[in-house]
Amino acid sequence: GEDVEQSLFLSVREGDSSVINCTYTDSSSTYLYWYKQEPGAGLQLLTYIFSNMDMKQDQRLTVLLNKKDKHLSLRIADTQTGDSAIYFCLSNQFYFGTGTSLTVIP
Amino acid sequence: EAQVTQNPRYLITVTGKKLTVTCSQNMNHEYMSWYRQDPGLGLRQIYYSMNVEVTDKGDVPEGYKVSRKEKRNFPLILESPSPNQTSLYFCASSPQGTNYGYTFGSGTRLTVV
Repeated sequence: GEDVEQSLFLSVREGDSSVINCTYTDSSSTYLYWYKQEPGAGLQLLTYIFSNMDMKQDQRLTVLLNKKDKHLSLRIADTQTGDSAIYFCLSNQFYFGTGTSLTVIP
Repeated sequence: EAQVTQNPRYLITVTGKKLTVTCSQNMNHEYMSWYRQDPGLGLRQIYYSMNVEVTDKGDVPEGYKVSRKEKRNFPLILESPSPNQTSLYFCASSPQGTNYGYTFGSGTRLTVV
């Protein structure tokens, strides 16, 4: 199966930018997704990007896709304490990354 | 409200006692899937279903069964639960296959003692 990898933990100060990274192996991925899981909750679709795009911006969220390196990133501008959660990237719907736990320090 | 409903939210059971976790969606989605979430391992797919009466194994199907007799329901069955199946389980659904993003249930935390 495909490998989708993320670093496990990230800590940032409130107001700073957060960058969560994801690498994947399946070059046929057509859609790539970011999901957010708040404590005790299910997963919520945050944003997605088509494979023919390099960047997608949605308010404080910026998704960057480097297809050549099979690298996906999620940038959260002006990170708030409410952004503390686990973030998962998902490739081709079947394979999730291990999740990155984002902690925002007030 | 469009949603995926799982029951129960929490379950403690003993080794070997058969149990079923129910999953129902009201969005007329063709695709449904079960995942388990374990610390440091992310979400791993157990089984998925592309439509009624069509089910396939995911990455970790051992010890689990599923059925898809109706479009809206996709129960997860543990015939003889063991402690290594203690986990957080999520059901998810998606329309028309794999490009539209998942809607997830709230999760079922299962403890097998």
